Amino acid sequence: DAGVIQSPRHEVTEMGQEVTLRCKPISGHDYLFWYRQTMMRGLELLIYFNNNVPIDDSGMPEDRFSAKMPNASFSTLKIQPSEPRDSAVYFCAIRSGGAFYNEQFFGPGTRLTVL
Amino acid sequence: TQLLEQSPQFLSIQEGENLTVYCNSSSVFSSLQWYRQEPGEGPVLLVTVVTGGEVKKLKRLTFQFGDARKDSSLHITAAQPGDTGLYLCAGVANNDMRFGAGTRLTVKP
Repeated sequence: DAGVIQSPRHEVTEMGQEVTLRCKPISGHDYLFWYRQTMMRGLELLIYFNNNVPIDDSGMPEDRFSAKMPNASFSTLKIQPSEPRDSAVYFCAIRSGGAFYNEQFFGPGTRLTVL
Repeated sequence: TQLLEQSPQFLSIQEGENLTVYCNSSSVFSSLQWYRQEPGEGPVLLVTVVTGGEVKKLKRLTFQFGDARKDSSLHITAAQPGDTGLYLCAGVANNDMRFGAGTRLTVKP
């Protein structure tokens, strides 16, 4: 079964602090996605990787955001420095195969609050 | 700007009622997916439709893809409290997938 572990589940930080969100896929996949979800903007794609290589980062809002995938079992999304408008739920998702209509499996998300 | 417009944004109904939610766009999609998201969890795929005019059924849920592949609908028969959640549609076009903002459904017992 496909699955994704995200940590932390909740993060509260102060403006200006660095935030690192973690994603650990627990099954085979070719693609890994980072999304951000807010009430105002819905679910937005930030960046995705194919075989650990970043393919499209056009959704990353600013240079304050960066993502890495050092291996197939781990990815991070970093915000430095964080701002209140970054408050959202951040999801990691995985997919097997190149077809975009293949099922994506989402993690439970990290709820980030920047004060 | 949302490429996919979902309506209604919020829907609150009584158990046993029927409902339809919509996903509309001016763009043509090669495929369209519906997801359901429960509080504190990530979205879970319900169905993928590929062919214009296609209808798929999943128990009490009926999904339809428009003939022109620009829109889709989800109909729930005899809604139950367990159907409560955020329903998201996602369209695939030009090797890109975008989500709508969702319809938040509440089914009261």
